[in-house]
Amino acid sequence: EDQVTQSPEALRLQEGESSSLNCSYTVSGLRGLFWYRQDPGKGPEFLFTLYSAGEEKEKERLKATLTKKESFLHITAPKPEDSATYLCAVQAWTGANNLFFGTGTRLTVIP
Amino acid sequence: KAGVTQTPRYLIKTRGQQVTLSCSPISGHRSVSWYQQTPGQGLQFLFEYFSETQRNKGNFPGRFSGRQFSNSRSEMNVSTLELGDSALYLCASSLGLAGTFTDTQYFGPGTRLTVL
Repeated sequence: EDQVTQSPEALRLQEGESSSLNCSYTVSGLRGLFWYRQDPGKGPEFLFTLYSAGEEKEKERLKATLTKKESFLHITAPKPEDSATYLCAVQAWTGANNLFFGTGTRLTVIP
Repeated sequence: KAGVTQTPRYLIKTRGQQVTLSCSPISGHRSVSWYQQTPGQGLQFLFEYFSETQRNKGNFPGRFSGRQFSNSRSEMNVSTLELGDSALYLCASSLGLAGTFTDTQYFGPGTRLTVL
């Protein structure tokens, strides 16, 4: 059965204090791994798609990496506006397009 | 390009009633997926529609149903509402590519349903 586990559940950082969020996954053939950002009361905002082990993608202070078992979202010198819940999801080679989500990491960046 | 829109944004219903939620996808997107988000269960897949046909379905009771129109707009219906149906209902649209390509889904703002 497909499974996605995110850690930690919550993370508090001082502004400028870099850290990483983890997403461990078990899927019957990874078609894609997705990172989304969700602000309270809003829908998830797409950040990255990763397809294969060794792939990396960057956007501003965020960098996503992928191995065969997990993905990391590295946040460099975060700012208060980076505070949000970060969601990881996988899409499998089952013929279906649905995403299987982890429960997210709630990030708070303190000024 | 306009994003995914959902209406209404907020709804309050009582147990036993039914509700219909609407989703308009990004122009050119033919696939619409629906998800339920609750604090305890996170985001869970309900169903996907592509070209007016349900292509995939999650593990939810038959009280949850949907449909898609020829312009790709989609509606979701929940009948005989229960307290546990209170949630944020999210719609996501994508090109609907199957097979070799990863299909990125873009989410709407959601409809917050409260069942009293």
